[in-house]
Amino acid sequence: DTEVTQTPKHLVMGMTNKKSLKCEQHMGHRAMYWYKQKAKKPPELMFVYSYEKLSINESVPSRFSPECPNSSLLNLHLHALQPEDSALYLCASSHVGLAEETQYFGPGTRLLVL
Amino acid sequence: DAKTTQPNSMESNEEEPVHLPCNHSTISGTDYIHWYRQLPSQGPEYVIHGLTSNVNNRMASLAIAEDRKSSTLILHRATLRDAAVYYCILMDSSYKLIFGSGTRLLVRP
Repeated sequence: DTEVTQTPKHLVMGMTNKKSLKCEQHMGHRAMYWYKQKAKKPPELMFVYSYEKLSINESVPSRFSPECPNSSLLNLHLHALQPEDSALYLCASSHVGLAEETQYFGPGTRLLVL
Repeated sequence: DAKTTQPNSMESNEEEPVHLPCNHSTISGTDYIHWYRQLPSQGPEYVIHGLTSNVNNRMASLAIAEDRKSSTLILHRATLRDAAVYYCILMDSSYKLIFGSGTRLLVRP
């Protein structure tokens, strides 16, 4: 099973709402990633978790709060977002995060902030 | 972060081979060359990767120049399902996949 699942598929939220995105993999991978993709642009790395610890934060605003409760799950908590945060949020995982490894991507959560 | 340069778009006819070029003149000795593609409304999908030698898998072939400053992704027989944005990415030991702008491949029936 090489599947990364993401829920929900679509999310609409107001600027005062709090919501969470969920990502799950059962491949035994110990590196997990969040990416943000604006329309017609390439994905941009946001966060990297390695062995359930945050190893990279690409200067992401604090209104995005990642969490890795166990080796299979990755959450992205959203609070006080802005309309410009509307995008496709992609989760990925890889074995342990080495340069020669494949990253497996989920289908993404399409977020609209009103 | 090492950078790659790709043409914005390319066109191909169905059932013909496609050669997608990528320049990476600032590549370092330990950077791996990865190719991913993204079909419409989907997450990126791994295609192939290599370090120094040419690589083949069921999806494609990767030809790496001797000086490693460029590479070419080869789709041997393009199908309509291969229409996607193809990203050439250099991966170092920092865990980061840094996507460039990619090449949009159009396949004509």
